[in-house]
Amino acid sequence: DAKTTQPTSMDCAEGRAANLPCNHSTISGNEYVYWYRQIHSQGPQYIIHGLKNNETNEMASLIITEDRKSSTLILPHATLRDTAVYYCIALLANNLFFGTGTRLTVIP
Amino acid sequence: EAGVTQFPSHSVIEKGQTVTLRCDPISGHDNLYWYRRVMGKEIKFLLHFVKESKQDESGMPNNRFLAERTGGTYSTLKVQPAELEDSGVYFCASSQSTGLFPGETQYFGPGTRLLVL
Repeated sequence: DAKTTQPTSMDCAEGRAANLPCNHSTISGNEYVYWYRQIHSQGPQYIIHGLKNNETNEMASLIITEDRKSSTLILPHATLRDTAVYYCIALLANNLFFGTGTRLTVIP
Repeated sequence: EAGVTQFPSHSVIEKGQTVTLRCDPISGHDNLYWYRRVMGKEIKFLLHFVKESKQDESGMPNNRFLAERTGGTYSTLKVQPAELEDSGVYFCASSQSTGLFPGETQYFGPGTRLLVL
């Protein structure tokens, strides 16, 4: 499975867009990019996933570069409840490989 | 619709004892996964069931861990005998089976926090 690298931590002002980057330069053509988050010590929560095209759902948008070497998760209007650790995962098989993620802190 | 549930939410046992964790997947989900996070480490995959069959158990740390899913519904993960390094949070996840790659989204339970003293 491709390795992903993410910044250790980020801050975002409440109400502003949070843009979380992820590098996956060794990703193969059939590996999907998944995003999960973990709030406090709850179970990981699915956010979004994509392969080549940009994706949007009620929670977030996922922008994948044309060469697929990186992607950005966008939370359009961050709230305090979005404070969490966000994981970018390149999925080849059916088991998820979590890295260290990005700790996003939304500041009032 | 009920989500993935896990029992117990917390367990404190002494080294050498046995503990059994239970996971009830979302109804109708054929795929069931176990993951764990031990202290200070990343969340790691343990194993994957498709119905009652073990599809992938490459993440199981050693033979002190036994997972079962009789009848293809709920699953249990037994640790016998428990060691100090088994302390951590054990997560269960489930997904539907579509026969497609990469399969359906995995939905996680709240986890069982295990402390071995």
